[in-house]
Amino acid sequence: ETGVTQSPTHLIKTRGQQVTLRCSSQSGHNTVSWYQQALGQGPQFIFQYYREEENGRGNFPPRFSGLQFPNYSSELNVNALELDDSALYLCASSFGRGAETQYFGPGTRLLVL
Amino acid sequence: SQQGEEDPQALSIQEGENATMNCSYKTSINNLQWYRQNSGRGLVHLILIRSNEREKHSGRLRVTLDTSKKSSSLLITASRAADTASYFCATVANAGKSTFGDGTTLTVKP
Repeated sequence: ETGVTQSPTHLIKTRGQQVTLRCSSQSGHNTVSWYQQALGQGPQFIFQYYREEENGRGNFPPRFSGLQFPNYSSELNVNALELDDSALYLCASSFGRGAETQYFGPGTRLLVL
Repeated sequence: SQQGEEDPQALSIQEGENATMNCSYKTSINNLQWYRQNSGRGLVHLILIRSNEREKHSGRLRVTLDTSKKSSSLLITASRAADTASYFCATVANAGKSTFGDGTTLTVKP
């Protein structure tokens, strides 16, 4: 166990709805990264937050947004859900902007119908 | 597109045999990492090798890195049924942002 927790574990939504996923980072970590993993593929980087500010973003549209709170927990928000948003969403925490090692949570599996 | 590509996509071996997985990537890197994932759960970090290193060991794991060929390999020796999982390589070029391949699915038969 890494100490990184995510909620909820599973979620079912319909197209057009909005969803918020949550991540609590490992104690002492101030950086959170979010990844989307479609079935049968590797994780794809969505964005990273370092000390409450966005510190890099992957190739995802603006309807994917995030927040990091003063306690370094984080939220991933996805608006106007599409069927292709169905995936496992992983968060990873680390210490520092340039940390080499990230610790992953168990993920939230999102199904969009 | 993914930075790293693992080969083979799937590997099935008997318990006690060695398993070798390969990873190729496209651009310069700071380091390369291998992760393991059981049944669509979170990723577990296995080992990190920096761009100036050529080989690294951790228990039954051996990782090599050839920056001239932009490739890495992960060797699991004396495999066990519990090693059954998907294995991913991830390259880190910019600070903290990992780029993953699509993984190798390893099945170890008891």
